[in-house]
Amino acid sequence: GAVVSQHPSWVICKSGTSVKIECRSLDFQATTMFWYRQFPKQSLMLMATSNEGSKATYEQGVEKDKFLINHASLTLSTLTVTSAHPEDSSFYICSARDWGRSLDEQYFGPGTRLTVT
Amino acid sequence: QQQVKQSPQSLIVQKGGISIINCAYENTAFDYFPWYQQFPGKGPALLIAIRPDVSEKKEGRFTISFNKSAKQFSLHIMDSQPGDSATYFCAASMIKAAGNKLTFGGGTRVLVKP
Repeated sequence: GAVVSQHPSWVICKSGTSVKIECRSLDFQATTMFWYRQFPKQSLMLMATSNEGSKATYEQGVEKDKFLINHASLTLSTLTVTSAHPEDSSFYICSARDWGRSLDEQYFGPGTRLTVT
Repeated sequence: QQQVKQSPQSLIVQKGGISIINCAYENTAFDYFPWYQQFPGKGPALLIAIRPDVSEKKEGRFTISFNKSAKQFSLHIMDSQPGDSATYFCAASMIKAAGNKLTFGGGTRVLVKP
């Protein structure tokens, strides 16, 4: 149980285009989802927290107009990287919290590798 | 501000040996301390977690030791195996805080030599 999926697992796009990444909780309802980015050989950096049906809360330094987050249902959150540039190339990971199961544990997705050419 | 400091950055251990990774935190309001294992190109997976009301927790070959007064906690991997070669992250959060965000340490790359 507590499986989180991401789609796509990897994507290559041209500079200036937009890319959408999906994060789904497969067997539980996720009232809260988190989006992280991870550069090679570095730790996970939280980008934003999204709660179902409300606007996402972005961490300091993360451009909300560039990284659009939508959490329209209890099982799906999307991250759209708008007007992507090579510096946006990174590993994007989502996680989800199942309030009905545990107050503390986050379940992570497998990640999406974004390469912007 | 790095609220969770992790050491060492990398670690090489022989098969069957003990891997020890340490973390120190600053925020005394943290009350949940998980450890994650991450393989290249994969998302992190929860290994084991502890709350500050206990000083030690063991699950299989993995043990967390927690020292509340020193604001430190560590992961011990007993009988290390080549399959344990991965990057390990400690983290901390405040369960009742709004959002309950995880703050991660910098990570430790562990290589277990056969």
